[in-house]
Amino acid sequence: QSVLTQPPSASGTPGQRVTVSCSGGSSNIGSNTVNWYQQLPGTAPKLLIYTNNQRPSGVPDRFSGSKSGTSASLAISGLQSEDEADYHCAAWDDSLNGPVFGGGTKLTVL
Amino acid sequence: QVQVVQSGAEVKKPGASVKVSCKASGNIFTNYNIYWVRQAPGQGLEWMGIINPSGGSTNYAQKFQGRVTLTRDTSTGTVYMELRSLRSDDTAVYYCAREGTATTAFDIWGQGTMVTVSS
Repeated sequence: QSVLTQPPSASGTPGQRVTVSCSGGSSNIGSNTVNWYQQLPGTAPKLLIYTNNQRPSGVPDRFSGSKSGTSASLAISGLQSEDEADYHCAAWDDSLNGPVFGGGTKLTVL
Repeated sequence: QVQVVQSGAEVKKPGASVKVSCKASGNIFTNYNIYWVRQAPGQGLEWMGIINPSGGSTNYAQKFQGRVTLTRDTSTGTVYMELRSLRSDDTAVYYCAREGTATTAFDIWGQGTMVTVSS
């Protein structure tokens, strides 16, 4: 059972905009920044968004992140077939004194 | 080119121990905290522990306290994770990851090491 809650799946057609939600509590998202990771099939996670809404160098601006209260969202616009992957949210948890993750959302491009 | 290479897949029997290595090219690990995260088949990511740049300080997730030990050899840029008293539910892919500067995000990951625990 993951500390952060994500929907297990999401889907969209090419060109569409999709969002993935991540819900937590006051000890994690409510008081710390959120990071997002993209995990392509059979590979290690890759940093996609850090500090709520910052993109590392090389990540397309089609990917964006936001946070409000104890929830966060990842938005992907102009959906492409290569975006088909698992997406994980993460945040530091002050009570557990370590990072916590969501269970991951499997994005399917129809 | 930034590169982190982990040791190869392992198959262990219940009750045994496993030690996984994570070696970084150049000095990309030198001044950074390194985390170990695991992912059971079809599951999400789970934090196991953190080791500081010098290797003098570690912090473990409560779930793994007493069973896991993180060490690092600063001369070779290699970090190690040892997990003892293995159980079938320890079957997972184990990743090392670097915590970036001024952020809690993991900006560099190893390729992962599959550990299978089976009798």
